[in-house]
Amino acid sequence: DQQVKQNSPSLSVQEGRISILNCDYTNSMFDYFLWYKKYPAEGPTFLISISSIKDKNEDGRFTVFLNKSAKHLSLHIVPSQPGDSAVYFCAATGGTSYGKLTFGQGTILTVHP
Amino acid sequence: NAGVTQTPKFQVLKTGQSMTLQCAQDMNHNSMYWYRQDPGMGLRLIYYSASEGTTDKGEVPNGYNVSRLNKREFSLRLESAAPSQTSVYFCASSEALKNEQFFGPGTRLTVL
Repeated sequence: DQQVKQNSPSLSVQEGRISILNCDYTNSMFDYFLWYKKYPAEGPTFLISISSIKDKNEDGRFTVFLNKSAKHLSLHIVPSQPGDSAVYFCAATGGTSYGKLTFGQGTILTVHP
Repeated sequence: NAGVTQTPKFQVLKTGQSMTLQCAQDMNHNSMYWYRQDPGMGLRLIYYSASEGTTDKGEVPNGYNVSRLNKREFSLRLESAAPSQTSVYFCASSEALKNEQFFGPGTRLTVL
């Protein structure tokens, strides 16, 4: 049972435009959410996170939105740059899973110049 | 700081062979983790160690054992490798009571 789902395997965006990556979760005990970015042949690197007490968190070009009632979060990248091309994973933790991350399947983002 | 290091980077095994994947971190983190990444599956937790001297099973522990050798090192052992264990393995670490985990570069393992 996939508790964290990223239903779009890939996304293609033009440089300068907005990239929106989506993630859904089913476990209502999850209360902390993270986004990781992964380049080929490298480990994932932490990008941005959000606690369930917030509905938005910004860090430069990256903003994460959380809709608790819909059990949905999204990552917005504005403006998108070719260097943003990577695999993006959302992850969640909370409740009895505290400290352990449950990851989505990942979305491959390609930003075209 | 090297962060999280993993050895080896690549390994090819035959079915039934054993091997140990090594992981070390120099960030003085209490918690360490082993994940495997398979196409279309994301990262799945194999084992974790919340602190030195403790280890617990994650989502997919079958076929693996771990040792938390000291605060810095956390190894993953495959006693009798199977083709289903072909995967990319990532080690990660985090500070106590912090959710952000820092990942190593990965070990690509192929079992023939």
